[in-house]
Amino acid sequence: GQQVMQIPQYQHVQEGEDFTTYCNSSTTLSNIQWYKQRPGGHPVFLIQLVKSGEVKKQKRLTFQFGEAKKNSSLHITATQTTDVGTYFCAGRGSGYSTLTFGKGTMLLVSP
Amino acid sequence: DTAVSQTPKYLVTQMGNDKSIKCEQNLGHDTMYWYKQDSKKFLKIMFSYNNKELIINETVPNRFSPKSPDKAHLNLHINSLELGDSAVYFCASSQRTVLDTQYFGPGTRLTVL
Repeated sequence: GQQVMQIPQYQHVQEGEDFTTYCNSSTTLSNIQWYKQRPGGHPVFLIQLVKSGEVKKQKRLTFQFGEAKKNSSLHITATQTTDVGTYFCAGRGSGYSTLTFGKGTMLLVSP
Repeated sequence: DTAVSQTPKYLVTQMGNDKSIKCEQNLGHDTMYWYKQDSKKFLKIMFSYNNKELIINETVPNRFSPKSPDKAHLNLHINSLELGDSAVYFCASSQRTVLDTQYFGPGTRLTVL
């Protein structure tokens, strides 16, 4: 079946440092979505990427979709304590009808 | 004015009991989902309904039965609860398909003793 791997599982940074999480799929993806889940909260949609090589920015967050549409990354510049949470990627493979979530990257930011 | 709401927020029960979780969305979306998030935070889809019709049924024990009385509601009934059913259950909705943004409810933390 479709698999979406996400690394690292966990990262602890000092406030102001950069952070990146990577997502890799076993199959070509039609789209990839990113979600953020704060501790004790529910996943909240951040962005969707659809085109090969697409790059989108939201303030300090940069999202990329690989040329082969099998990988994606989320980069946060100059982390803040408000960035704490678990970041999930979720993709739908060609021929699949469901979104498969990665296992998430838990980000902890120390002041 | 909550977009996707779930009740109850917490559910503690004994093994072998039957329980239900309710979900409602006021976004006018056509598709609703149930996800299970285990203790390791892994989110796995269980069911998806589109306009009250079941369209996705992942490998889930048949003790779990979703019911959609109308497209704004998707309830989850669980029979003969087991210890391994302890998890957070999230309801979500999207406008049409999985290509659309998914809006998650606040979750129901189920603990089976």
